[in-house]
Amino acid sequence: DIQMTQSPSSLSASVGDRVTITCRASQAISSYLAWYQQKPGKVPNLLIYDASTLQSGVPTRFSGSGSGTDFTLTISSLQPEDVATYYCQKYNSAPWTFGQGTRVEIK
Amino acid sequence: QVQLQESGPGLVKPSQTLSLTCTVSGGSISRGVYSWNWIRQHPGKGLEWIGNIHHSGSTYYNPSLKSRVTISVDTSKNQFSLQVNSVTAADTAVYYCARNSEVLGVILPPDYWGQGTLVTVSP
Repeated sequence: DIQMTQSPSSLSASVGDRVTITCRASQAISSYLAWYQQKPGKVPNLLIYDASTLQSGVPTRFSGSGSGTDFTLTISSLQPEDVATYYCQKYNSAPWTFGQGTRVEIK
Repeated sequence: QVQLQESGPGLVKPSQTLSLTCTVSGGSISRGVYSWNWIRQHPGKGLEWIGNIHHSGSTYYNPSLKSRVTISVDTSKNQFSLQVNSVTAADTAVYYCARNSEVLGVILPPDYWGQGTLVTVSP
């Protein structure tokens, strides 16, 4: 099975900072990569699909890039409401594996 | 606006079968562009995809659970279900149901999720 590895596992940044999270697939998955945001005690929320397409209603400070095995989620200007854990997920073929998550905190 | 709601016992004894149902409202479960997923999250841990049932009726499971899991659909009730056999404490988790779409033959990831239900496996 294809493994999804995120880095870092956690980060702390200041409001307004540019934040980058990386997701690496153990084999190529084309662009079948999604990013989710999960706030504490809440349901995961789809942010980006097809590696770079912003889901409707998601703030434009979120962006995604990459294809093949290396992907990036960028928050251009971190806001207090962005405190959450972020997950990548592959969905090209079963199993639709998630990364282990990246916790984002405010410094 | 489609909504999904999980239901089922919150406590299951070891070695028994965990059974959950997801009721879909605001849209037909049998519409031929959707697949229906189960995903779980162990307490304080990450997300684990359990499997899904495609609108064609085909099922796809995580190999780590495949021997113990069944996902099925009841179109008459607009529901889909999850069964996990021979549960242990390691199956204690919040279980989510979720919908994903297929547009012009291209699969999209789950975008609508239920609120999740905690299932505890304990004597």
